[in-house]
Amino acid sequence: DAGVIQSPRHEVTEMGQEVTLRCKPISGHNSLFWYRQTMMRGLELLIYFNNNVPIDDSGMPEDRFSAKMPNASFSTLKIQPSEPRDSAVYFCASRIAGADTQYFGPGTRLTVL
Amino acid sequence: QQPVQSPQAVILREGEDAVINCSSSKALYSVHWYRQKHGEAPIFLMILLKGGEQKGHDKISASFNEKKQQSSLYLTASQLSYSGTYFCGSSNNAGNMLTFGGGTRLMVKP
Repeated sequence: DAGVIQSPRHEVTEMGQEVTLRCKPISGHNSLFWYRQTMMRGLELLIYFNNNVPIDDSGMPEDRFSAKMPNASFSTLKIQPSEPRDSAVYFCASRIAGADTQYFGPGTRLTVL
Repeated sequence: QQPVQSPQAVILREGEDAVINCSSSKALYSVHWYRQKHGEAPIFLMILLKGGEQKGHDKISASFNEKKQQSSLYLTASQLSYSGTYFCGSSNNAGNMLTFGGGTRLMVKP
């Protein structure tokens, strides 16, 4: 079975540009999580969805960040406009609701110049 | 609030043991342990749900002291493959939203 799929794997953009990160969770998983990892702040939960519905977005840093999950097999995290401090590795993880294990995708390394 | 991990880094020789601690200022419902190798995604190791519960597989085990709001990860007879950064994630409810600690970087040398 395929694991969590994220695209792109690397993204380099200029300040002010819109960035869209994509995630395909493991089939059958109905919880999806977006994390951001930096050296300074570690691994931070940004938002999570249950059955395509956002449950908690308290970790989203500011209005420049938005996340959607239009169906059970796809989610996006958008940053508009992007800033250099958004540079980080963004992970998507999925899980069967009620189960213990979160399965992480390979991450997207974002660099904002 | 982020759980606190200690030590921040540890270097071992192959075959030596290590303990990584994770403490929270909030009441804990569960503690999850993950290992992340450089440039890769975190991989789930184990979850502890009950106070005093101890779990393990192979030579990696963990304990959870609910009263003290802390968990410890034990690595015995370390192998080169154990190298990586270990994260604890804490949850204070059954929804299992995790807050991760800052990580402990473990390096095992031959």
